[in-house]
Amino acid sequence: DTVLTQSPALAVSPGERVTISCKASESVSTRMHWYQQKPGQQPKLLIYKASNLASGVPARFSGSGSGTDFTLTIDPVEADDTATYFCQQSWNGPLTFGSGTKLEIK
Amino acid sequence: EIQLQESGPGLVKPSQSLSLTCSVTGYTITSGYDWSWIRKFPGNKMEWMGYISYSGSTNYNPSLKSRISITRDTSKNQFFLQLNSVTTEDTATYYCARSPLTIWGQGVMVTVSS
Repeated sequence: DTVLTQSPALAVSPGERVTISCKASESVSTRMHWYQQKPGQQPKLLIYKASNLASGVPARFSGSGSGTDFTLTIDPVEADDTATYFCQQSWNGPLTFGSGTKLEIK
Repeated sequence: EIQLQESGPGLVKPSQSLSLTCSVTGYTITSGYDWSWIRKFPGNKMEWMGYISYSGSTNYNPSLKSRISITRDTSKNQFFLQLNSVTTEDTATYYCARSPLTIWGQGVMVTVSS
């Protein structure tokens, strides 16, 4: 299975720019997707196919990358962005998810 | 508006079967898409378990292939998860979702314990 590696946690101040990375153990082309999950809620799709903004998602969120290295950027960060962010690939074999990056807003 | 809602027992004994229902409103599951089950373990790890397609074919995660079954009742617009021979390691929050994973249910927490 394709393993997706994310850094476990980040802390930033409101108004700053934050980048969350996801590295795949093998190429996933551009079939990488990003989700936001707040405590007690279901995951919410933010970005699909590496760089496409999902419906209703603010333009502060953007995604980039291809192959094995992907980035989710939030600029500027707001207090409401406190959440865990997951990457997920749909190119190889069973769908797999990253372990999540917990974003804290100072 | 499309909505998915999971239901089922919150507590299952080891070695028994876990059975969950996903009720879909606002869209007919035979019209298109794949309909997935995903689970999130304590500690954040997420696992895609499998799906049933709009045509009724299924695709399972090989890690679960011997224990999992996903079926549906088209008259009720529902699909189901059955996971056999559960252990404490199957304790998780279980989600149903429309694939691509654009729409998710709220999730149901299932604990495996005697």
